[in-house]
Amino acid sequence: KNEVEQSPQNLTAQEGEFITINCSYSVGISALHWLQQHPGGGIVSLFMLSSGKKKHGRLIATINIQEKHSSLHITASHPRDSAVYICAVGETSGSRLTFGEGTQLTVNP
Amino acid sequence: EPEVTQTPSHQVTQMGQEVILRCVPISNHLYFYWYRQILGQKVEFLVSFYNNEISEKSEIFDDQFSVERPDGSNFTLKIRSTKLEDSAMYFCASSAQGNPPGTQYFGPGTRLLVL
Repeated sequence: KNEVEQSPQNLTAQEGEFITINCSYSVGISALHWLQQHPGGGIVSLFMLSSGKKKHGRLIATINIQEKHSSLHITASHPRDSAVYICAVGETSGSRLTFGEGTQLTVNP
Repeated sequence: EPEVTQTPSHQVTQMGQEVILRCVPISNHLYFYWYRQILGQKVEFLVSFYNNEISEKSEIFDDQFSVERPDGSNFTLKIRSTKLEDSAMYFCASSAQGNPPGTQYFGPGTRLLVL
């Protein structure tokens, strides 16, 4: 059973700061997902990656398969980035996702 | 942009009643999932569905739960006799076929409250 750990659990930043959220997992995977959950509860998929690095706007996700570790970076953070960021892993193609606890990010103006 | 939809957005029911949660996955997707999130806890997998059958289910998905794709577009989760501990947000997700199958797109969720 895969264990997914995220750090930090809570993160408060000032607008404009560079943010890093980390995720580690215990068992080899086929893909890792970064998700965003807003206060209303809805979940939005940000990235799915199985190797290397992906960038979308101010968001960058990296993964190191050998170390079983991924990071989500937000450059020039903004209050609208405030949300819960969740790491989830799938061990095989089409399989269930195992979720981390999430990181509550608050960006103050 | 195509999206996964779920109905109802909120449901309140009495313990012991049956509920059916409905999802319309993205139209060309072939993998379907149900997850739930109890308030304050992490998201948990319930069941996955592919090729008109359950492909995987968790320990949570006991005999009280069932899934169905009745008409080729809807994907439903039925809870036969609800318990207080079934109160949660239920998310449907779908993904396209591929190698790997691709991003799972989540619906907005149904918030279920069992009294």
